[in-house]
Amino acid sequence: AQTVTQSQPEMSVQEAETVTLSCTYDTSESDYYLFWYKQPPSRQMILVIRQEAYKQQNATENRFSVNFQKAAKSFSLKISDSQLGDAAMYFCAYSGGGADGLTFGKGTHLIIQP
Amino acid sequence: SAVISQKPSRDICQRGTSLTIQCQVDSQVTMMFWYRQQPGQSLTLIATANQGSEATYESGFVIDKFPISRPNLTFSTLTVSNMSPEDSSIYLCSVLTGGPDTQYFGPGTRLTVL
Repeated sequence: AQTVTQSQPEMSVQEAETVTLSCTYDTSESDYYLFWYKQPPSRQMILVIRQEAYKQQNATENRFSVNFQKAAKSFSLKISDSQLGDAAMYFCAYSGGGADGLTFGKGTHLIIQP
Repeated sequence: SAVISQKPSRDICQRGTSLTIQCQVDSQVTMMFWYRQQPGQSLTLIATANQGSEATYESGFVIDKFPISRPNLTFSTLTVSNMSPEDSSIYLCSVLTGGPDTQYFGPGTRLTVL
């Protein structure tokens, strides 16, 4: 079974600075998908960014980018120019694709210091 | 991405009773998923619901406790049966849409069992 590990229960960053959230995973598959979701206190799960394992290029979405290291099974999220609205729980997730559900890590609570 | 709604948004129930949670999508989708998020925890997949077929349950979840219906391509229900305080959680539905192998989530239903 696939597992997803987020080793940082909580991270804190000053507003406007850059922060990196770590995620590692374990799978025997060669094709899969990785995601970062954000969950603010409203509890809505919001897709931040996705990465297809067959793509070598790291995904980017505005201030959010990933560092995908397939051999190391590592998938970190970098948030640049942190904003107060970025404060939330961030979950790393894995999917084998298609009908596969998502396997989530335990989450990282991100605090933005004004 | 699709617009997904859930009803109710929250409820407080007595032990031994059942609650049915509805998930409605504004477009037709093939795959719908149900997740549970226990207090302070990550999300765990309960089951996958395809239209016209029986739901597929993950280990630890059984149909008698969490019956699911999927009558058409825009709607699904999850029933939490014979509830106990351990069932107090946020229940979220998600759909596979808006891009290959990407799930988008409804706003969740916060259930408290007394």
